[in-house]
Amino acid sequence: SQTIHQWPATLVQPVGSPLSLECTVEGTSNPNLYWYRQAAGRGLQLLFYSVGIGQISSEVPQNLSASRPQDRQFILSSKKLLLSDSGFYLCAWSFLPGQGKRSYNEQFFGPGTRLTVL
Amino acid sequence: RKEVEQDPGPFNVPEGATVAFNCTYSNSASQSFFWYRQDCRKEPKLLMSVYSSGNEDGRFTAQLNRASQYISLLIRDSKLSDSATYLCVVNEGYGGGSNYKLTFGKGTLLTVNP
Repeated sequence: SQTIHQWPATLVQPVGSPLSLECTVEGTSNPNLYWYRQAAGRGLQLLFYSVGIGQISSEVPQNLSASRPQDRQFILSSKKLLLSDSGFYLCAWSFLPGQGKRSYNEQFFGPGTRLTVL
Repeated sequence: RKEVEQDPGPFNVPEGATVAFNCTYSNSASQSFFWYRQDCRKEPKLLMSVYSSGNEDGRFTAQLNRASQYISLLIRDSKLSDSATYLCVVNEGYGGGSNYKLTFGKGTLLTVNP
């Protein structure tokens, strides 16, 4: 079965500091990978998605970046955090269309990282 | 703009009640539909994929009306453990990267009381 890991679980960082969040998936190959942010009291916002190693699509302009150095590893980074970067960061994976039992594009989420920027 | 709108809630119901959540979506090209549940301070978890003919899983029934661009979730015989936020989720449809993108509603909070 597939599992997805994220770390750290919680993080408190000062404004202007760098950020690196890591996500890894086990039990599947060539997954689609996603980074979302959920601000307090708001819905999930898609930040980045990746359909393969080195392939990153950005959904919103911001001071964040993403990288996929290995098939099942997805990293979210920032050089300088802003107060507005606080939130709950979620990594998710999905099968490629046609790869799973059904091609309904379900996404499966990791446990998330709760980031507070002070 | 592609949007998913849900009942704002919150819903407070007694144990054993039947509760229904409604959701509308604006993108007629959407192909896949889901309900997720999210417990407080946890990640969303897939509850049900919604099939075109509607589908049932135990106490949960999901319906899809493509003509009206409307999705519903019915929970029968509510349990305390059903207390959570329910998210209506729609994929953006076929074509390039849109096939991979899901749009999430803001969610409806359900509290089931003893």
